[in-house]
Amino acid sequence: DVKVTQSSRYLVKRTGEKVFLECVQDMDHENMFWYRQDPGLGLRLIYFSYDVKMKEKGDIPEGYSVSREKKERFSLILESASTNQTSMYLCASSLSHKAQYFGPGTRLTVL
Amino acid sequence: ELKVEQNPLFLSMQEGKNYTIYCNYSTTSDRLYWYRQDPGKSLESLFVLLSNGAVKQEGRLMASLDTKARLSTLHITAAVHDLSATYFCAVDRGFYEKLTFGTGTRLTIIP
Repeated sequence: DVKVTQSSRYLVKRTGEKVFLECVQDMDHENMFWYRQDPGLGLRLIYFSYDVKMKEKGDIPEGYSVSREKKERFSLILESASTNQTSMYLCASSLSHKAQYFGPGTRLTVL
Repeated sequence: ELKVEQNPLFLSMQEGKNYTIYCNYSTTSDRLYWYRQDPGKSLESLFVLLSNGAVKQEGRLMASLDTKARLSTLHITAAVHDLSATYFCAVDRGFYEKLTFGTGTRLTIIP
């Protein structure tokens, strides 16, 4: 079974802090994704990566950056957290033309 | 820009009844995915539909894809309480596995 793990289930940070969200997958998938999920808005793509050190902006990249130094690990970075970044963050991975497998999510609260 | 609309957004139905969730999308795509999300949990892949006319069935759920009509349906047969969840469709944008998600259909099965 594919396993996608995220470093924290719940996180509380203060405005202006730098926040790191980590995601690890164990199935050698080339594609990895970061989404945020907000009520009434569905899932929105923040960034994705199709190979090590490769990254592409999604639909809402402002205020975020990513890092993919190893194939199994994809990190989302909030450079200076703001209250409007309070959300559920979901990581996913996939092979080409296959379903994306999602991690358990990190519920981030920015105070 | 690809837009994905699901309807209904909320569905409350009795056990034993049949119903259909609709997913319409605005631009050409040959790949569509259905996911299930239980409250407080992450997304679980249900179906991958890869071509026009594709039909997949698993238990009481059946999904189909009509790429000409830009429409996918998720049909529920003889609903049971365990099917209560939020269901999302997601449409492939055609490059780098980027998906656009619908806003979800919250399904509640009443005994």
